[in-house]
Amino acid sequence: KNEVEQSPQNLTAQEGEFITINCSYSVGISALHWLQQHPGGGIVSLFMLSSGKKKHGRLIATINIQEKHSSLHITASHPRDSAVYICAVIPNSGGGADGLTFGKGTHLIIQP
Amino acid sequence: NAGVTQTPKFQVLKTGQSMTLQCAQDMNHEYMSWYRQDPGMGLRLIHYSVGAGITDQGEVPNGYNVSRSTTEDFPLRLLSAAPSQTSVYFCASSKQSRPIYYYGYTFGSGTRLTVV
Repeated sequence: KNEVEQSPQNLTAQEGEFITINCSYSVGISALHWLQQHPGGGIVSLFMLSSGKKKHGRLIATINIQEKHSSLHITASHPRDSAVYICAVIPNSGGGADGLTFGKGTHLIIQP
Repeated sequence: NAGVTQTPKFQVLKTGQSMTLQCAQDMNHEYMSWYRQDPGMGLRLIHYSVGAGITDQGEVPNGYNVSRSTTEDFPLRLLSAAPSQTSVYFCASSKQSRPIYYYGYTFGSGTRLTVV
């Protein structure tokens, strides 16, 4: 069974700090999503990646397929980055009915 | 450009009551799905649909029914609400079901349901 583990579960940091959220999974995958969920709000897709690195503004996502690991980095963090960040993978073997296996999320708080 | 619209945003039900959570998308997406999100757990798939007239069960389908009479709408019905169904529910859609990694998902804003 594919497991998706995120670390840390909770992270509190000061404004301006460099943030790293990690995602590890146990089976081969075809792609990985990073999602953002704001308090009381919906879920937004940040990145989809299957290799290498993607950058959007202050957000950077990397993936190492061989090591079964992905990281989400936030540079110059801001209080508006406070949210739950969710990793979801698409296993090569098919995963769930919709092809996705979700991590439990990392709750990030950026203090001013 | 509404995307995925869920209603209501909040609902309190008594045990045994029934209700329907509405989900509509205006992007002509073939694929729609319902998830529930509980504290300390990842999103779990309840039901999904790959097109009008086609639905199937996900990981946690018990106690829920769905139908897909049109491409736009995918309502989730709770037939007899139970406290274990207290959760936040998300509807999501995608242009096609596979490959999700290419088309991605659009999520609704969620419905917070409490069953007392």
